[in-house]
Parts: sequence; C-alpha cells; structure tokens
Amino acid sequence: ETGVTQTPRHLVMGMTNKKSLKCEQHLGHNAMYWYKQSAKKPLELMFVYNFKEQTENNSVPSRFSPECPNSSHLFLHLHTLQPEDSALYLCASSQGTASTNEKLFFGSGTQLSVL
Amino acid sequence: GQNIDQPTEMTATEGAIVQINCTYQTSGFNGLFWYQQHAGEAPTFLSYNVLDGLEEKGRFSSFLSRSKGYSYLLLKELQMKDSASYLCAVYGNNRLAFGKGNQVVVIP
Repeated sequence: ETGVTQTPRHLVMGMTNKKSLKCEQHLGHNAMYWYKQSAKKPLELMFVYNFKEQTENNSVPSRFSPECPNSSHLFLHLHTLQPEDSALYLCASSQGTASTNEKLFFGSGTQLSVL
Repeated sequence: GQNIDQPTEMTATEGAIVQINCTYQTSGFNGLFWYQQHAGEAPTFLSYNVLDGLEEKGRFSSFLSRSKGYSYLLLKELQMKDSASYLCAVYGNNRLAFGKGNQVVVIP
C-alpha cells in the first residue's frame, strides 16, 4: 500500500466513449502527477499539479483532460480516445513541489484498453 | 534532453547476485532513483543517489558515478519475490526522466 489509490484498475472503452480515471492520495503531499506507461517504453510524464494548480502539460493531446479539485484528488477525463492510447495510466504524488527531486509515490494504475 | 539506457531483461537464479546497470546522459544532474515494479502493481521507491559511491540498504545496494553517467543496482541473495521490473530515473534540468526498465526474472 503506497498511500495512492487509483480507480478503476481496468477500463475498456470504445473510441466514442467518455470516461474518467480517479486518483486519491492519503499522504498529505503537495504535488500530483499523471504518467503513461506503454509496453517497452519509458514512463511518460503527462501532467503535473502543484498545490492543485497545473504546472506542466507535456504536449498531451486534448482528448486527455486533467482535473485537480484539491491537493488530494486528481482526475483524468478521457474522450474520443484512439487505440494507441491503450496503456497503463499511473498517478503519483510527492511531498514537495514537482521542481524538487523528491521520490514519487505511485498508485497501481489503470490499465486502459481502447477498442 | 535526457537519455537513459537500461538492458531490457535478465534471468538469475534464486540466491544469486544480480547487477542491473543504467547509463544516462543529462545536463544539470541532480539525482538518480531506482524503483521496483511488480507486474500489475505500483512502482515503489528503492534508492536515491546524488553523490558518487555506494548506498547499501539491506539486500539492495545502489552505486553512482556521475563522471561516467553510470549507476547500478545490486540485488543480493535473490528471492523469487524479486522478480520485477527495475526502473532507473534521472533528475536533470528540473525534469525526471525514466528508463524503459529492466525485467528481472528469478528462477529456482
């Protein structure tokens, strides 16, 4: 148990669906992240939030829309995805802001399949 | 940009020692992390090196040479539960970049 909880664990969706991924951290951390993990590829940073303000969007297509209502919760809204978006989506948090090199605490991820 | 290179897969025998290498190129180096990720689970923090040398933590040790852009993770007395992917991540220029991970398979 890392203190970061993600739901759902698995998600299958069609290209016309709209779905949301949820992440909650119980660690009192100030920064939260979305990463994409595809097979045989490095973890790719998607979005960063510090104190619930978005500080980084790593050239992510607009079909991915993050939301951070408070420093403990992070969502990733999905719409009109493509099959190549199928991947493991990992949420992470860190104590300090994302500009400091602190260790990350990851959730178990949502395995997404786009049909 | 940053470039991180790790071997993709290794097989080792229970009770043995395995060394997982990571080479990197970055500017503004400010630390290197190792994470362990079991299949279907969250990556978990193993170690952090920012100065040259060896950091030992139980059965796991991590080494860093900044001048060579090189790190390794040493796993001793391998156990079956050590079968996992080991991710090297480098912090440079205010960015954290991950390698592809090294899948270690422990066999009896």
